[in-house]
Amino acid sequence: ETGVTQTPRHLVMGMTNKKSLKCEQHLGHNAMYWYKQSAKKPLELMFVYNFKEQTENNSVPSRFSPECPNSSHLFLHLHTLQPEDSALYLCASSQDLEVYNEQFFGPGTRLTVL
Amino acid sequence: GQNIDQPTEMTATEGAIVQINCTYQTSGFNGLFWYQQHAGEAPTFLSYNVLDGLEEKGRFSSFLSRSKGYSYLLLKELQMKDSASYLCAVRDSNYQLIWGAGTKLIIKP
Repeated sequence: ETGVTQTPRHLVMGMTNKKSLKCEQHLGHNAMYWYKQSAKKPLELMFVYNFKEQTENNSVPSRFSPECPNSSHLFLHLHTLQPEDSALYLCASSQDLEVYNEQFFGPGTRLTVL
Repeated sequence: GQNIDQPTEMTATEGAIVQINCTYQTSGFNGLFWYQQHAGEAPTFLSYNVLDGLEEKGRFSSFLSRSKGYSYLLLKELQMKDSASYLCAVRDSNYQLIWGAGTKLIIKP
């Protein structure tokens, strides 16, 4: 595997379910990100981790819970979601948090909440 | 508030040139990024501008004017595979990346 991978690619869940999204990067990067992408809206940054430490939480509801066990893996635990949470969830990584470093994105998980 | 403006959709012809504009109002500026995102795929990095002027990279060029809060992405010799969304993002004084909603580019034969 190369780059940034995400599983599952598609997920349908009910509002009472608990599920987890997984992201893995094979680039040796130290920073990882979760984004939410809704149709015709800007990317919304949710969480940032640098060297496994959370550095950013953009007022995300507690029904989204991130976990970063090491610099290569990032999870997003989901519980009691709402239909408006249906979106594409993108994971990204970068070498670190330097301003000029581009982010490398995974293909995303298309989430549908019923 | 912080804002990035891009046209929602543009159409161009194969072989032609297209310019996608991006204007921004942010608290500070630490560089501007352009990304390409094909439908159903991950965004991929195209360019980074931090100084005024034009950066050329093959068929793609990116221009920045910090005094005008303006950038554009220029795509030459358009190919069908260039049909995608193009995302503009600005890093502000807090090092946050502020994203535009993207411009969907449709290439017609």
